[in-house]
Amino acid sequence: AQSVSQHNHHVILSEAASLELGCNYSYGGTVNLFWYVQYPGQHLQLLLKYFSGDPLVKGIKGFEAEFIKSKFSFNLRKPSVQWSDTAEYFCAVPGSGGSYIPTFGRGTSLIVHP
Amino acid sequence: DGGITQSPKYLFRKEGQNVTLSCEQNLNHDAMYWYRQDPGQGLRLIYYSQIVNDFQKGDIAEGYSVSREKKESFPLTVTSAQKNPTAFYLCASSTTIMGEQYFGPGTRLTVT
Repeated sequence: AQSVSQHNHHVILSEAASLELGCNYSYGGTVNLFWYVQYPGQHLQLLLKYFSGDPLVKGIKGFEAEFIKSKFSFNLRKPSVQWSDTAEYFCAVPGSGGSYIPTFGRGTSLIVHP
Repeated sequence: DGGITQSPKYLFRKEGQNVTLSCEQNLNHDAMYWYRQDPGQGLRLIYYSQIVNDFQKGDIAEGYSVSREKKESFPLTVTSAQKNPTAFYLCASSTTIMGEQYFGPGTRLTVT
């Protein structure tokens, strides 16, 4: 079965620091990759997605992610975080064995200090 | 405004009672999902439906049931057989099962 690993469970940064959140998965048959974000008190929402083409994808609020097929990774990056980026971040990848239902990672809680 | 509504936001029940959580979408999406979110465990799939009158078990379906009689609606019943029902429940929808998902605001269920 597909497994998704988000290595950083809790990240604490100061404003203007750079961010990289890891996402690795075990099964790479179909590539529809997602990062979702859950801001405090808000709905879970799409941050960015990769379906095909340029492996470096850009999302909302200055976030980007790079798909590296050989490493089964889809890491999320932002060069300079803001206090408003404080949120929980989830990576999601397609299931395995013919199921395309996205499998979610455990999430990374990011706290940005002003 | 298009979106997903879940009601109620907070729900309290006594142990041994069944409870139904509502999920409605007006996005005209075919696929709908129910997830359970527990601290440190991410989102775990309970049930999903790709089309009206059809649904499939997810990873943690035991103790839950669903129905999909209308495209817009996908209610989840938490039965008394669910051993640990206290959790935050999220409903989502997408155009297809491979597409991006749109989430509702969630229902926090507390069973005592």
